[in-house]
Amino acid sequence: NAGVTQTPKFQVLKTGQSMTLQCAQDMNHEYMSWYRQDPGMGLRLIHYSVGAGITDQGEVPNGYNVSRSTTEDFPLRLLSAAPSQTSVYFCASSYSGGRNTQYFGPGTRLTVL
Amino acid sequence: AQTVTQSQPEMSVQEAETVTLSCTYDTSESDYYLFWYKQPPSRQMILVIRQEAYKQQNATENRFSVNFQKAAKSFSLKISDSQLGDAAMYFCAYRRRQGGSEKLVFGKGTKLTVNP
Repeated sequence: NAGVTQTPKFQVLKTGQSMTLQCAQDMNHEYMSWYRQDPGMGLRLIHYSVGAGITDQGEVPNGYNVSRSTTEDFPLRLLSAAPSQTSVYFCASSYSGGRNTQYFGPGTRLTVL
Repeated sequence: AQTVTQSQPEMSVQEAETVTLSCTYDTSESDYYLFWYKQPPSRQMILVIRQEAYKQQNATENRFSVNFQKAAKSFSLKISDSQLGDAAMYFCAYRRRQGGSEKLVFGKGTKLTVNP
């Protein structure tokens, strides 16, 4: 099993550009989520999904879109990148909800100039 | 608002010694879950230990154990016989239930240095 994979590992964008961070898991997990990690802030939840076709907002959803068309994939879209979105992004999955162990991807370091 | 507080931004410990990382949380729920995650320099987040609030017994995983004080809303992590590989950021997390959804709320982390 590959676990949770994220692409790309690093990305540099210019303000106003859009892009999609990819996340995939091969563990048949229902629950998937996106976090951003900023220095001194811990991890903050952006969006999450409890199954295919179902998504909801976390603490810091503004500027991000998600969709969940399959169980395996949960892409995160930045519509118009801003310097405030410079961060490390983590995707995570678990069998069912937040009560279970979250399996994290390796992260994507995004810089917006 | 339900929050998780880690009051120690940095801690250090000598190899083979014991260290305790603090975590307090705020909740009005009676049934919830608490976690400690480790993030080494590789950046990979790994579960260290999990505690279910309805269980009075403190969770233990090898050299890692917790002191769960439900009334005080405290959830500290004890690392015994510290090893160089324990050096990492440690995050305390709380499973918050909101309506029908479950979300994880993380503390800001404690950076642990292990001195040889």
